[in-house]
Amino acid sequence: DADVTQTPRNRITKTGKRIMLECSQTKGHDRMYWYRQDPGLGLRLIYYSFDVKDINKGEISDGYSVSRQAQAKFSLSLESAIPNQTALYFCATSAPETSGTDTQYFGPGTRLTVL
Amino acid sequence: GQNIDQPTEMTATEGAIVQINCTYQTSGFNGLFWYQQHAGEAPTFLSYNVLDGLEEKGRFSSFLSRSKGYSYLLLKELQMKDSASYLCAVSNAGNNRKLIWGLGTSLAVNP
Repeated sequence: DADVTQTPRNRITKTGKRIMLECSQTKGHDRMYWYRQDPGLGLRLIYYSFDVKDINKGEISDGYSVSRQAQAKFSLSLESAIPNQTALYFCATSAPETSGTDTQYFGPGTRLTVL
Repeated sequence: GQNIDQPTEMTATEGAIVQINCTYQTSGFNGLFWYQQHAGEAPTFLSYNVLDGLEEKGRFSSFLSRSKGYSYLLLKELQMKDSASYLCAVSNAGNNRKLIWGLGTSLAVNP
């Protein structure tokens, strides 16, 4: 079984709809991240969480919100989707306190299309 | 500001050796990572350097010079499956550190 899973893997939606992307991990890591990736723009950090009670904005948090329901679950919501939120979204986890490095492990990604 | 530079594209021939460079300017430094990403897939971890020098792992090696803000990823005995994007990322300093990502180098391996 994959250590970091994301659902759904693909989603097509319309402008104005509310969308939730979910991430679960069995790695036991405290830190979780949400990124989006667009051609030519690389990976950009949306939100990150260092533990269940800690949520932080990344470089492009406008239009997004998150919820850390448990150590293993971190959800990303688009309250009112717009076409420029069409992208590939990745969840990642890390555990520098136990591993000694910030190595991040990624889920398989969610391809979101907003029409 | 914080910046990571790597070439946008490279091509190489199957069986050859290729070196992908990465230069960085960050407010602190707590290690440099290389990831491999095939088209449409997730980035996967390749290597981590925090001290100067060369780290070898099978066909892949990674080098770091902290004084020069420079790293390279060396891929030997190239295979077609090595065609992918290679991402350089730097962990900045401090307890709230995050990874700063380069835009990636797209490597095409030709027969």
